[in-house]
Amino acid sequence: NAGVTQTPKFRVLKTGQSMTLLCAQDMNHEYMYWYRQDPGMGLRLIHYSVGEGTTAKGEVPDGYNVSRLKKQNFLLGLESAAPSQTSVYFCASMFGGRDEQYFGPGTRLTVT
Amino acid sequence: GESVGLHLPTLSVQEGDNSIINCAYSNSASDYFIWYKQESGKGPQFIIDIRSNMDKRQGQRVTVLLNKTVKHLSLQIAATQPGDSAVYFCAETSGAAGNKLTFGGGTRVLVKP
Repeated sequence: NAGVTQTPKFRVLKTGQSMTLLCAQDMNHEYMYWYRQDPGMGLRLIHYSVGEGTTAKGEVPDGYNVSRLKKQNFLLGLESAAPSQTSVYFCASMFGGRDEQYFGPGTRLTVT
Repeated sequence: GESVGLHLPTLSVQEGDNSIINCAYSNSASDYFIWYKQESGKGPQFIIDIRSNMDKRQGQRVTVLLNKTVKHLSLQIAATQPGDSAVYFCAETSGAAGNKLTFGGGTRVLVKP
């Protein structure tokens, strides 16, 4: 199993540009999550999904959209990037219930 | 790798000594707790978990203690090794919509040889 993978690993955007981050998991997990991590801030939940075709807002959803068209993939979109979105983005997945979340390696995004 | 928390509290420990990392949580409804380890440039990695019907759980070289009365969680690492140098996060959930985890701010552990 590859576990949780994220694409791309690094990206630099100019203000106003758009992009999509891809998260894929091969563990047949129902739940998937997108977090951002800023220095000194820990992990903050952006959006999450409890199953294929469902999405919900987390703690810091503004400026982001997500889609879960297939169970194994969870996409995070930035329609108009802003410097405040410079961060490291982590995807995670979980089988269900009270269980650990498995994290991907992260995507470092810089918006200039 | 990335700078994971430039302003994190830091615990410096001599190699071979025991480490204790503390975490306070605020949600009295939380019933499942996890400790994660994050090395520079990597995603968080599961270390150990504990459910609210327990007050202690042991793994390999690690022990988690849960005090629900004061809403406090601790992670003890025995015989700390250089490979234990990382940022450690506690996380909690009450199982509310999506089984969302709430993460603490993290503690950086530096192991001195």
